[in-house]
Amino acid sequence: SYELTQPPSVSVSPGQTASITCSGNNLNKKYTYWYHQKPGQSPVLVIYDDNKRPSGIPERFSGANSGNTATLTISGIQAMDEGDYYCQVWDSSIVIFGGGTKVTVL
Amino acid sequence: QVQLQESGPGLVKPSQTLSLTCTVSGGSISSGSHYWSWIRQPAGKGLEWIGRIYTTGSTYYNPSLKSRVSISVDTSKNQFFLKLTSMTAADTAVYYCARGGSSHPVDPWGQGTLVTVSS
Repeated sequence: SYELTQPPSVSVSPGQTASITCSGNNLNKKYTYWYHQKPGQSPVLVIYDDNKRPSGIPERFSGANSGNTATLTISGIQAMDEGDYYCQVWDSSIVIFGGGTKVTVL
Repeated sequence: QVQLQESGPGLVKPSQTLSLTCTVSGGSISSGSHYWSWIRQPAGKGLEWIGRIYTTGSTYYNPSLKSRVSISVDTSKNQFFLKLTSMTAADTAVYYCARGGSSHPVDPWGQGTLVTVSS
């Protein structure tokens, strides 16, 4: 079965740039989606179709997908951006989530 | 703006069947080419997709749960449902319902409901 691999954690200082990777076989052949989950809350879509932002998502969130790796970039990170981030793809009609990355803003 | 709300028992005994309801508001469950999904998350762990349904009743389940899962829909009530049989402690999790499930992002999500399996 298809697997997505994310780093368990990323730490970054306020105002800096956080990059979260998601790796999978030939990932660039699939659309990647990214979700942000704050403690005790439901996940929220922040990037769809590799690099598109839903309405209401700040411009500091961007996405890219090349080769075997998709990347979510948060530029000028803020304290409110802390939480868990999950990547997601479709494979053989199944929703696949990455294991999640905990982002800490130091 | 579409909103989803899960409802159901917070406590289920081992070997029993879990039944959850997701009520969709702010739009018709039948409008657009949308699928509707169930997803769960054990405490401190990641997300696991359970399965999806289309308003025609067509379903697709995660192979890892397929033998125990059933998802159905009642378009007249704007609701869809989850049944998970033979519950064990490993099924203890927050269960989310969400729009999406095929070639579209999973969005939006309900607030989630905690289900604990314990005697």
